Amino acid sequence: AQTVTQSQPEMSVQEAETVTLSCTYDTSESDYYLFWYKQPPSRQMILVIRQEAYKQQNATENRFSVNFQKAAKSFSLKISDSQLGDAAMYFCAYLDNFNKFYFGSGTKLNVKP
Amino acid sequence: KAGVTQTPRYLIKTRGQQVTLSCSPISGHRSVSWYQQTPGQGLQFLFEYFSETQRNKGNFPGRFSGRQFSNSRSEMNVSTLELGDSALYLCASSFGQAGDTQYFGPGTRLTVL
Repeated sequence: AQTVTQSQPEMSVQEAETVTLSCTYDTSESDYYLFWYKQPPSRQMILVIRQEAYKQQNATENRFSVNFQKAAKSFSLKISDSQLGDAAMYFCAYLDNFNKFYFGSGTKLNVKP
Repeated sequence: KAGVTQTPRYLIKTRGQQVTLSCSPISGHRSVSWYQQTPGQGLQFLFEYFSETQRNKGNFPGRFSGRQFSNSRSEMNVSTLELGDSALYLCASSFGQAGDTQYFGPGTRLTVL
């Protein structure tokens, strides 16, 4: 089975600074999809960004971008110009071709004013 | 466009009882997936329904079951509740094709006493 590892249980960043959250995964498949979801205290999972494994170009969404290294099975999330509203749990997730998600254990991001 | 809705938002039950949770997907979405989130086990996949058929299943006992109706709304049932079933239950909807982004509802918080 696929596994997703987030090695940073908690991180802190100063407002307006940049932070990178790490994620690695293990799979034998060649075609898959990777996601970052954000879960604020309200507990609603919110999509941050998505990456198709067959695309070499790294996905970006405004202040959020990823560094996708397929050979290394690494999928890190960079948040630029951090804002107070970015404070949340961030989950890295692997989606297989059967629409089944495998989630990492999460990284709690604190944003300091 | 309305998002994914889940009812009820909070439930308190006692051991041995059964419970039914409901999920209404985004209009046009035909796939509904269910996840259990606990502090100890993190986010775990329960099952996925597509066009009224269970298409994929996680590693949960038979006490956990579900169904999907012709309007794509889905229900999840847990029978003979155990203390360990206390969790946040999240549902997510998508169009159902491989790799489609899943959009999550706000969750149902189940407490078993």
